Amino acid sequence: GAVVSQHPSWVICKSGTSVKIECRSLDFQATTMFWYRQFPKQSLMLMATSNEGSKATYEQGVEKDKFLINHASLTLSTLTVTSAHPEDSSFYICSALRGGGNQPQHFGDGTRLSIL
Amino acid sequence: DAKTTQPNSMESNEEEPVHLPCNHSTISGTDYIHWYRQLPSQGPEYVIHGLTSNVNNRMASLAIAEDRKSSTLILHRATLRDAAVYYCILVSNSGYALNFGKGTSLLVTP
Repeated sequence: GAVVSQHPSWVICKSGTSVKIECRSLDFQATTMFWYRQFPKQSLMLMATSNEGSKATYEQGVEKDKFLINHASLTLSTLTVTSAHPEDSSFYICSALRGGGNQPQHFGDGTRLSIL
Repeated sequence: DAKTTQPNSMESNEEEPVHLPCNHSTISGTDYIHWYRQLPSQGPEYVIHGLTSNVNNRMASLAIAEDRKSSTLILHRATLRDAAVYYCILVSNSGYALNFGKGTSLLVTP
């Protein structure tokens, strides 16, 4: 079945560091990928929608200069958390859409980001 | 976006069937009903989806009410590995993003 790989699984770094998270669709081409964030004991919140070859669409309240998204190919989207601070510590999850809008999304295993 | 309502938690014994309900009284005619589940410390996993007719796959069955205002995810024989948060989500034909509510936390006991 469809597989989405997310890397790295865990990141621990100092405040002020920029962190890049990769999301790859391994066996299909994904014109649309999504980035979610999940705080402890809460549900997933959509951060942005990433379309190949165009600028990402950010949800209200998500700073586009803070969370840089690049979707340079049909199989890779990256999320860079710039100058990360402790409040950015969270579980970041990507997903990729295979097919039409009502088709299932395929999720990565998430990245646990801890900023000291 | 149309909303869904699910119980916060449910409990089941291992190897027994589990019926997870979802209400979506404001569903529109073009909304698909999707179910995902999330195991601890993992990304969500697609379970099943449907529009009007009941659906079966290797993981579960989806029973959709005739008026489409509610649906039920059926796990035929719960295992310990089915313990997860189950999300019922409406997906429009034109919109792609998933609106995750709080879901139902399923506890499976031996």
